[in-house]
Amino acid sequence: AQSVTQLGSHVSVSEGALVLLRCNYSSSVPPYLFWYVQYPNQGLQLLLKYTTGATLVKGINGFEAEFKKSETSFHLTKPSAHMSDAAEYFCAVSGGGGYQKVTFGTGTKLQVIP
Amino acid sequence: DSGVTQTPKHLITATGQRVTLRCSPRSGDLSVYWYQQSLDQGLQFLIQYYNGEERAKGNILERFSAQQFPDLHSELNLSSLELGDSALYFCASSPDPGQGSVQFFGPGTRLTVL
Repeated sequence: AQSVTQLGSHVSVSEGALVLLRCNYSSSVPPYLFWYVQYPNQGLQLLLKYTTGATLVKGINGFEAEFKKSETSFHLTKPSAHMSDAAEYFCAVSGGGGYQKVTFGTGTKLQVIP
Repeated sequence: DSGVTQTPKHLITATGQRVTLRCSPRSGDLSVYWYQQSLDQGLQFLIQYYNGEERAKGNILERFSAQQFPDLHSELNLSSLELGDSALYFCASSPDPGQGSVQFFGPGTRLTVL
Protein backbone atom coordinates (compact mmCIF):
# COMPACT_ATOMS: atom_id res chain seq x y z
CA ALA A 1 0.00 0.00 0.00
CA GLN A 2 1.17 3.52 -0.64
CA SER A 3 0.00 6.91 0.49
CA VAL A 4 1.04 10.53 0.49
CA THR A 5 0.40 13.24 3.07
CA GLN A 6 0.83 16.89 2.23
CA LEU A 7 0.96 19.13 5.26
CA GLY A 8 -0.89 22.37 4.80
CA SER A 9 -3.60 22.79 2.20
CA HIS A 10 -2.70 26.48 1.85
CA VAL A 11 0.70 28.13 2.17
CA SER A 12 1.38 31.86 1.82
CA VAL A 13 4.80 33.34 1.27
CA SER A 14 6.07 36.78 0.36
CA GLU A 15 7.66 37.34 -3.02
CA GLY A 16 11.37 36.59 -2.69
CA ALA A 17 10.93 34.38 0.39
CA LEU A 18 11.72 30.69 0.70
CA VAL A 19 9.08 28.26 -0.47
CA LEU A 20 8.75 25.02 1.51
CA LEU A 21 5.98 22.56 0.71
CA ARG A 22 5.90 19.41 2.80
CA CYS A 23 5.25 15.87 1.65
CA ASN A 24 5.52 12.60 3.56
CA TYR A 25 4.98 9.27 1.91
CA SER A 26 4.30 5.71 2.85
CA SER A 27 5.28 2.88 0.58
CA SER A 28 5.98 -0.80 1.08
CA VAL A 29 8.54 -0.78 -1.71
CA PRO A 30 11.21 1.72 -2.77
CA PRO A 31 9.13 4.51 -4.24
CA TYR A 32 9.13 6.74 -7.21
CA LEU A 33 8.21 10.23 -6.03
CA PHE A 34 6.90 13.14 -8.04
CA TRP A 35 5.91 16.75 -7.62
CA TYR A 36 3.38 18.11 -10.07
CA VAL A 37 2.10 21.69 -10.38
CA GLN A 38 -1.34 22.81 -11.49
CA TYR A 39 -1.81 26.39 -12.62
CA PRO A 40 -5.34 27.80 -12.62
CA ASN A 41 -7.57 26.25 -15.27
CA GLN A 42 -4.85 23.89 -16.47
CA GLY A 43 -3.87 20.27 -16.12
CA LEU A 44 -1.03 19.04 -13.96
CA GLN A 45 2.54 19.20 -15.20
CA LEU A 46 5.65 17.57 -13.84
CA LEU A 47 8.00 19.66 -11.70
CA LEU A 48 10.43 16.92 -10.79
CA LYS A 49 10.79 13.21 -10.20
CA TYR A 50 12.84 11.06 -7.84
CA THR A 51 13.83 7.55 -8.82
CA THR A 52 17.02 6.29 -7.19
CA GLY A 53 20.46 7.75 -6.72
CA ALA A 54 20.99 11.38 -5.77
CA THR A 55 18.72 12.44 -2.96
CA LEU A 56 18.52 16.07 -4.08
CA VAL A 57 16.40 16.37 -7.20
CA LYS A 58 16.34 19.50 -9.30
CA GLY A 59 13.25 20.40 -11.26
CA ILE A 60 11.96 23.13 -13.47
CA ASN A 61 11.46 26.78 -12.52
CA GLY A 62 14.10 26.66 -9.77
CA PHE A 63 12.35 24.06 -7.62
CA GLU A 64 14.10 21.18 -5.96
CA ALA A 65 13.19 18.41 -3.56
CA GLU A 66 15.16 16.31 -1.13
CA PHE A 67 14.43 12.63 -0.60
CA LYS A 68 14.95 11.63 3.03
CA LYS A 69 14.35 7.94 3.50
CA SER A 70 14.79 8.07 7.28
CA GLU A 71 12.01 10.66 7.52
CA THR A 72 9.96 9.28 4.59
CA SER A 73 9.80 12.82 3.31
CA PHE A 74 10.10 14.51 -0.05
CA HIS A 75 9.71 18.23 0.66
CA LEU A 76 9.69 20.75 -2.19
CA THR A 77 11.67 23.97 -1.91
CA LYS A 78 12.52 27.07 -3.87
CA PRO A 79 14.92 29.69 -2.48
CA SER A 80 13.02 32.73 -3.74
CA ALA A 81 9.30 32.80 -4.55
CA HIS A 82 8.06 34.52 -7.65
CA MET A 83 4.53 35.70 -8.33
CA SER A 84 4.29 33.17 -11.16
CA ASP A 85 4.76 30.33 -8.65
CA ALA A 86 1.22 30.80 -7.36
CA ALA A 87 -0.43 27.47 -8.14
CA GLU A 88 -1.46 24.20 -6.56
CA TYR A 89 1.27 21.63 -5.95
CA PHE A 90 0.74 17.89 -5.72
CA CYS A 91 3.09 15.31 -4.32
CA ALA A 92 2.67 11.80 -5.71
CA VAL A 93 4.09 8.34 -5.05
CA SER A 94 4.30 5.31 -7.29
CA GLY A 95 5.71 1.90 -6.65
CA GLY A 96 3.05 -0.45 -5.43
CA GLY A 97 1.98 -3.33 -7.58
CA GLY A 98 3.02 -4.40 -11.05
CA TYR A 99 1.50 -1.44 -12.79
CA GLN A 100 1.92 2.26 -12.45
CA LYS A 101 -0.61 3.15 -9.80
CA VAL A 102 0.18 6.70 -8.78
CA THR A 103 -1.27 8.05 -5.57
CA PHE A 104 -1.57 11.81 -5.36
CA GLY A 105 -1.63 13.92 -2.25
CA THR A 106 -4.45 16.33 -1.52
CA GLY A 107 -2.49 19.29 -2.85
CA THR A 108 -1.10 22.51 -1.40
CA LYS A 109 -2.19 25.86 -2.79
CA LEU A 110 0.68 28.31 -2.79
CA GLN A 111 -0.13 32.01 -2.55
CA VAL A 112 2.65 34.51 -3.24
CA ILE A 113 2.16 37.92 -1.68
CA PRO A 114 3.76 40.90 -3.41
CA ASP B 1 1.04 22.29 -24.08
CA SER B 2 1.43 18.66 -22.93
CA GLY B 3 0.33 17.16 -26.25
CA VAL B 4 -2.67 15.48 -24.62
CA THR B 5 -6.00 16.74 -25.92
CA GLN B 6 -9.39 16.43 -24.29
CA THR B 7 -12.82 17.25 -25.63
CA PRO B 8 -15.07 18.90 -24.81
CA LYS B 9 -13.61 21.55 -22.49
CA HIS B 10 -16.91 22.13 -20.78
CA LEU B 11 -20.04 20.01 -20.51
CA ILE B 12 -23.29 20.93 -18.83
CA THR B 13 -25.95 18.29 -18.52
CA ALA B 14 -28.80 17.16 -16.31
CA THR B 15 -29.09 14.44 -13.70
CA GLY B 16 -29.80 11.01 -15.12
CA GLN B 17 -28.09 11.74 -18.42
CA ARG B 18 -25.12 10.05 -20.04
CA VAL B 19 -22.01 11.77 -21.42
CA THR B 20 -18.81 10.74 -23.16
CA LEU B 21 -15.47 12.42 -22.60
CA ARG B 22 -12.73 11.97 -25.15
CA CYS B 23 -8.97 11.93 -24.80
CA SER B 24 -6.16 11.75 -27.36
CA PRO B 25 -2.78 10.87 -25.82
CA ARG B 26 0.57 12.31 -26.80
CA SER B 27 1.98 10.90 -29.99
CA GLY B 28 3.70 7.61 -29.17
CA ASP B 29 2.22 7.20 -25.69
CA LEU B 30 0.54 3.85 -25.17
CA SER B 31 -0.83 4.33 -21.68
CA VAL B 32 -3.85 6.46 -20.78
CA TYR B 33 -5.15 7.35 -17.33
CA TRP B 34 -8.37 8.99 -16.19
CA TYR B 35 -8.70 11.12 -13.06
CA GLN B 36 -11.54 12.96 -11.36
CA GLN B 37 -10.78 16.18 -9.49
CA SER B 38 -13.34 17.71 -7.17
CA LEU B 39 -13.15 20.12 -4.24
CA ASP B 40 -14.19 17.58 -1.65
CA GLN B 41 -12.39 14.48 -2.97
CA GLY B 42 -9.25 15.94 -4.48
CA LEU B 43 -7.56 14.15 -7.37
CA GLN B 44 -8.84 10.59 -7.66
CA PHE B 45 -7.44 7.96 -10.00
CA LEU B 46 -10.20 6.27 -11.96
CA ILE B 47 -8.73 3.84 -14.47
CA GLN B 48 -5.67 3.09 -16.61
CA TYR B 49 -5.35 1.53 -20.06
CA TYR B 50 -2.25 0.33 -21.84
CA ASN B 51 -2.33 -0.37 -25.56
CA GLY B 52 -6.05 -1.06 -25.52
CA GLU B 53 -6.19 -3.18 -22.38
CA GLU B 54 -7.35 -2.20 -18.94
CA ARG B 55 -4.37 -2.17 -16.57
CA ALA B 56 -5.58 -0.75 -13.29
CA LYS B 57 -8.77 0.39 -11.65
CA GLY B 58 -9.08 2.98 -8.96
CA ASN B 59 -12.13 4.61 -7.46
CA ILE B 60 -14.28 4.26 -10.53
CA LEU B 61 -18.03 3.93 -10.03
CA GLU B 62 -19.98 1.17 -11.76
CA ARG B 63 -21.92 3.90 -13.61
CA PHE B 64 -18.64 4.91 -15.25
CA SER B 65 -16.81 2.98 -17.92
CA ALA B 66 -13.90 3.60 -20.24
CA GLN B 67 -12.13 2.11 -23.19
CA GLN B 68 -9.05 2.67 -25.30
CA PHE B 69 -9.39 2.24 -29.03
CA PRO B 70 -6.89 0.81 -31.56
CA ASP B 71 -5.77 4.34 -32.48
CA LEU B 72 -5.02 4.77 -28.74
CA HIS B 73 -7.54 7.48 -28.05
CA SER B 74 -9.72 6.85 -25.04
CA GLU B 75 -13.26 7.61 -23.98
CA LEU B 76 -14.74 7.85 -20.51
CA ASN B 77 -18.48 7.21 -20.36
CA LEU B 78 -20.46 8.53 -17.42
CA SER B 79 -24.07 7.42 -17.09
CA SER B 80 -27.02 8.02 -14.75
CA LEU B 81 -25.32 11.24 -13.78
CA GLU B 82 -25.75 12.65 -10.30
CA LEU B 83 -25.06 16.13 -8.92
CA GLY B 84 -21.99 14.74 -7.16
CA ASP B 85 -20.42 13.77 -10.48
CA SER B 86 -19.77 17.43 -11.22
CA ALA B 87 -15.99 17.71 -11.37
CA LEU B 88 -12.95 18.21 -13.56
CA TYR B 89 -12.02 15.05 -15.43
CA PHE B 90 -8.42 14.74 -16.52
CA CYS B 91 -6.84 12.39 -18.92
CA ALA B 92 -3.11 11.71 -18.77
CA SER B 93 -0.79 9.65 -20.93
CA SER B 94 2.62 8.09 -20.59
CA PRO B 95 4.90 6.15 -22.92
CA ASP B 96 4.62 2.98 -20.89
CA PRO B 97 2.85 1.71 -17.79
CA GLY B 98 6.04 1.48 -15.75
CA GLN B 99 6.09 2.70 -12.19
CA GLY B 100 8.48 5.55 -12.82
CA SER B 101 6.88 6.79 -16.00
CA VAL B 102 5.94 10.46 -16.01
CA GLN B 103 2.32 11.23 -16.80
CA PHE B 104 1.41 14.09 -19.11
CA PHE B 105 -1.95 15.64 -18.32
CA GLY B 106 -4.51 17.11 -20.65
CA PRO B 107 -6.31 20.39 -19.89
CA GLY B 108 -9.36 18.58 -18.51
CA THR B 109 -13.09 18.50 -19.14
CA ARG B 110 -15.24 20.40 -16.67
CA LEU B 111 -18.50 18.54 -16.15
CA THR B 112 -21.42 20.30 -14.54
CA VAL B 113 -24.49 18.24 -13.66
CA LEU B 114 -27.59 20.31 -12.94
